[in-house]
Amino acid sequence: TQLLEQSPQFLSIQEGENLTVYCNSSSVFSSLQWYRQEPGEGPVLLVTVVTGGEVKKLKRLTFQFGDARKDSSLHITAAQPGDTGLYLCGTSYGKLTFGQGTILTVHP
Amino acid sequence: GAVVSQHPSRVICKSGTSVKIECRSLDFQATTMFWYRQFPKQSLMLMATSNEGSKATYEQGVEKDKFLINHASLTLSTLTVTSAHPEDSSFYICSARAQGLDYEQYFGPGTRLTVT
Repeated sequence: TQLLEQSPQFLSIQEGENLTVYCNSSSVFSSLQWYRQEPGEGPVLLVTVVTGGEVKKLKRLTFQFGDARKDSSLHITAAQPGDTGLYLCGTSYGKLTFGQGTILTVHP
Repeated sequence: GAVVSQHPSRVICKSGTSVKIECRSLDFQATTMFWYRQFPKQSLMLMATSNEGSKATYEQGVEKDKFLINHASLTLSTLTVTSAHPEDSSFYICSARAQGLDYEQYFGPGTRLTVT
């Protein structure tokens, strides 16, 4: 059983479109992280959310932590080809484990 | 700050041989390091957790005799794939957690292992 359920697994969109990636669980977390990984490289931390209801913004990326701290979302506004990559949510439930990941492809 | 390196970045070895991958935290002390395996277009799968000076804790289904992990210092952990087979070919990634921080982990750039 996956601790973190991430959806969708694949997303292919045109440049300029908006998108949302979801990360859900039945467990409550003290914190949750979002990472982005490009092919052949290690994941890079984008943000950590720790407070229920918290919203963090990173340029065109908006991250939200659910009020109950069981879920999170990543919203990208006006996606660009440079946003292409694998997006992972993860949580240190003792050790850092990840959801299944979302492969995002943004076409020019 | 918080840079993690891995060496080598790519390695090709013959079936039956052993390969060692190094993971180093360059500018911080890492009490805990993690090893992950990743198949193409999939997420990272945690293989084991290593704490400096103690035995690694392996995830269910990971053979400890096949994937030897040593965390001899606060800046270095090694993963040795013993008697490698083609099915061991994968992308191996390490991460390091700084002393005192429960959730901040920093990842290495990964090692592409190909077993022929």
